[in-house]
Amino acid sequence: EPEVTQTPSHQVTQMGQEVILRCVPISNHLYFYWYRQILGQKVEFLVSFYNNEISEKSEIFDDQFSVERPDGSNFTLKIRSTKLEDSAMYFCASSNSGISTDTQYFGPGTRLTVL
Amino acid sequence: QQPVQSPQAVILREGEDAVINCSSSKALYSVHWYRQKHGEAPVFLMILLKGGEQKGHEKISASFNEKKQQSSLYLTASQLSYSGTYFCGTERNSGGYQKVTFGIGTKLQVIP
Repeated sequence: EPEVTQTPSHQVTQMGQEVILRCVPISNHLYFYWYRQILGQKVEFLVSFYNNEISEKSEIFDDQFSVERPDGSNFTLKIRSTKLEDSAMYFCASSNSGISTDTQYFGPGTRLTVL
Repeated sequence: QQPVQSPQAVILREGEDAVINCSSSKALYSVHWYRQKHGEAPVFLMILLKGGEQKGHEKISASFNEKKQQSSLYLTASQLSYSGTYFCGTERNSGGYQKVTFGIGTKLQVIP
């Protein structure tokens, strides 16, 4: 069964450093999402992406964050200058369409630890 | 605005039933239910779209009361594999792209 993959599984970085989290969505999916989950807390929506553009973003997704689809398979989340509070599990998800009836399939997540 | 889930946590013995509730102060278009096991990604359970809709998968079912802006997830004859955190996600708009806002989750533990 097709699945969303994410790399790396765990990344440790120093505060102020840039990080890029990578995702490979399911191949025929067109809509891509990033979510964040701080340890023990709820899953929070960051951004959705379609047709090489951001379609929705939350208030968490400020100028420090950016997303890109650099080629036909990868979808990346970049954090320019990491802060301690960016430490969280970051989940990528994809769906075939962006409509409400469609399922979002989540990847296994990347745990980001900012020291 | 995030939906409110109740209870926050529940412990069941195998075979017992549970209900997890999700409510919103705003009108809802759809409700999404996910289960997350510790250290794993959320796994989709079901989406409810229409008011009054009910859906089910094996012994897990859900209802969506559009007028009350509430959804309930019903777990019948619970199994050990049901343990995890259950999140409801809500969507307010029918147009535009999916933007699901998740509740804080309900931790369910099923014990032998």
